[in-house]
Amino acid sequence: QSALTQPASVSGSPGQSITISCTGTSSDVGGYNYVSWYQQHPGKAPKLIIYDVSNRPLGVSNRFSGSKSGNTASLTISGLQAEDEADYYCSSYTSINTRVFGGGTKLTVL
Amino acid sequence: QVQLQESGPGLVKPSETLSLTCTVSGGSISPYSWSWIRQPPGKGLEWIGYIYYSGSTNYNPSLKSRVTISVDTSKNQFSLKVSSVTAADTAVYYCARSPIARNWFDPWGQGTLVTVSS
Repeated sequence: QSALTQPASVSGSPGQSITISCTGTSSDVGGYNYVSWYQQHPGKAPKLIIYDVSNRPLGVSNRFSGSKSGNTASLTISGLQAEDEADYYCSSYTSINTRVFGGGTKLTVL
Repeated sequence: QVQLQESGPGLVKPSETLSLTCTVSGGSISPYSWSWIRQPPGKGLEWIGYIYYSGSTNYNPSLKSRVTISVDTSKNQFSLKVSSVTAADTAVYYCARSPIARNWFDPWGQGTLVTVSS
């Protein structure tokens, strides 16, 4: 199985909004509403921020939102804050009942 | 609240078997599925495989021939073995929980670095 495709890096200024894309195939992202997103700060374990495409776990800021169109899922962060600077990963269920991650996107808050 | 903790040798020789254990505290092994995920230094996440509390497993096709995941419900632990390791298996290894029939990972362990070197 191939890793999902994410941009290597994105950047934005405080207060702005950014969107990170996650592109797969009809056998993973496009075939199921089972995309999740994770935030990882340096030296830390990943943290779940979005599940099932667009749902936020309790305690996650409503500045984080998710969506999907076709084979591409997206994570949007609004009102960028310095603490949002981190690596972000998408993950999807696949047609063979495995899981696959994206390559990761480094978010820089300017 | 449930916490996960990985443990095992931090250094493994090439061609040998990497063995790690994840201990679950503050909650039960059932009724969840439990995954191993790894991250080579400076690189992205790679899903290795999962085991249900009942013992059924599924693995990443690229690693399937070398990986075994097992569970010990009496100890609230599950384990990972990767055979015939090479330098490419050097990574931080994480364990993580998923609700049954759900496809997200939460929570995660803090991770443990395993280096493959002679």
